[in-house]
Amino acid sequence: NAGVTQTPKFQVLKTGQSMTLQCAQDMNHEYMSWYRQDPGMGLRLIHYSVGAGITDQGEVPNGYNVSRSTTEDFPLRLLSAAPSQTSVYFCASSLQAGRTEAFFGQGTRLTVV
Amino acid sequence: RKEVEQDPGPFNVPEGATVAFNCTYSNSASQSFFWYRQDCRKEPKLLMSVYSSGNEDGRFTAQLNRASQYISLLIRDSKLSDSATYLCVVTLTGTASKLTFGTGTRLQVML
Repeated sequence: NAGVTQTPKFQVLKTGQSMTLQCAQDMNHEYMSWYRQDPGMGLRLIHYSVGAGITDQGEVPNGYNVSRSTTEDFPLRLLSAAPSQTSVYFCASSLQAGRTEAFFGQGTRLTVV
Repeated sequence: RKEVEQDPGPFNVPEGATVAFNCTYSNSASQSFFWYRQDCRKEPKLLMSVYSSGNEDGRFTAQLNRASQYISLLIRDSKLSDSATYLCVVTLTGTASKLTFGTGTRLQVML
């Protein structure tokens, strides 16, 4: 009964380093998304995908890349980490975009120093 | 103006109390509405969807007022386990892929 699995849970990066946050879901959901959560800001959409091979930008896409080669996986890549990317990142999936329950991963706490 | 606004709280209430949260949204064409619950340092989880006619799930009642553009969440007989942050979530017309989150209202239920 895995749901949405997100790794790693914690990460510290140095400015300029790159890394990939992994996200996998086993519910056969077409819609997947990445959010970041910062104090006082609410969750903000970074990128989303409506199916394998299809991705699009959300509200705050700069500095991040995504790909969706399979229905199950939706990794988020930080190209060159900056302190402004220190945040908590959540991956989510849902059966239908915006209309049905979104299931979230446990989150990744990222610190960029 | 934020698209979805909530009072951040905290709301400190005794066990057994009734507490209500409101959330306002700016886009009158918004389609879908939800309340999510987020425990400290955990992921958000769906508490309930909000329907036009209002809906109830045990001690929780959600209502939608389209004319005034707000949704509400009422919690009756508060339990210690209700302590969490409650996120108001709205889906905007034309951007069906985009959930817009409020910043959340923190509830602390005390003995």
